[in-house]
Amino acid sequence: EAGVAQSPRYKIIEKRQSVAFWCNPISGHATLYWYQQILGQGPKLLIQFQNNGVVDDSQLPKDRFSAERLKGVDSTLKIQPAKLEDSAVYLCASSLGWGMMEQFFGPGTRLTVL
Amino acid sequence: GQQVMQIPQYQHVQEGEDFTTYCNSSTTLSNIQWYKQRPGGHPVFLIQLVKSGEVKKQKRLTFQFGEAKKNSSLHITATQTTDVGTYFCAGPGTNDYKLSFGAGTTVTVRA
Repeated sequence: EAGVAQSPRYKIIEKRQSVAFWCNPISGHATLYWYQQILGQGPKLLIQFQNNGVVDDSQLPKDRFSAERLKGVDSTLKIQPAKLEDSAVYLCASSLGWGMMEQFFGPGTRLTVL
Repeated sequence: GQQVMQIPQYQHVQEGEDFTTYCNSSTTLSNIQWYKQRPGGHPVFLIQLVKSGEVKKQKRLTFQFGEAKKNSSLHITATQTTDVGTYFCAGPGTNDYKLSFGAGTTVTVRA
């Protein structure tokens, strides 16, 4: 079974530029999550989708971050404009459903904002 | 909001020794999950505990959920170099399913 795919794996941009990350979850997984992991910290949930609907985006900085999952499969996370404090690893995860479900994480995208 | 705290932040262990890492929540948890993240890797699910006082074992790893469902522990016996990594606990509150991750315990092993 293929795992969660993410691209790119690494991205370096200057502040005020925009960037987009892509995620392809495990086939059949209805729930998709985007996490931000700052060095030395645990993952922080940014947004959670159930199929193509948003379940929770309470910790998403909506003035600069946006995410979509149009067909209930792939998802993109965008940052515009980026700030220095956005430097982090962005992890995508998926699960069969939401609730008490094991989450499968992708390899992540390491973003460096200069 | 719910907070999940882990102690210690760092654990330096001699190969062959045992150690325990602890997870404490500010609110009651419906369940607790444990993940392991190897250096440069991504979190990988280890186990989920649901019942009050539940104990589960995976080879040398023993996981426990507190009676009040507000704390959990991970005990590793006879530590090996393959145990190196950061161990995260994560739990949703009783009123929502959003996982809150602790900051993790980073384990290094001296051969």
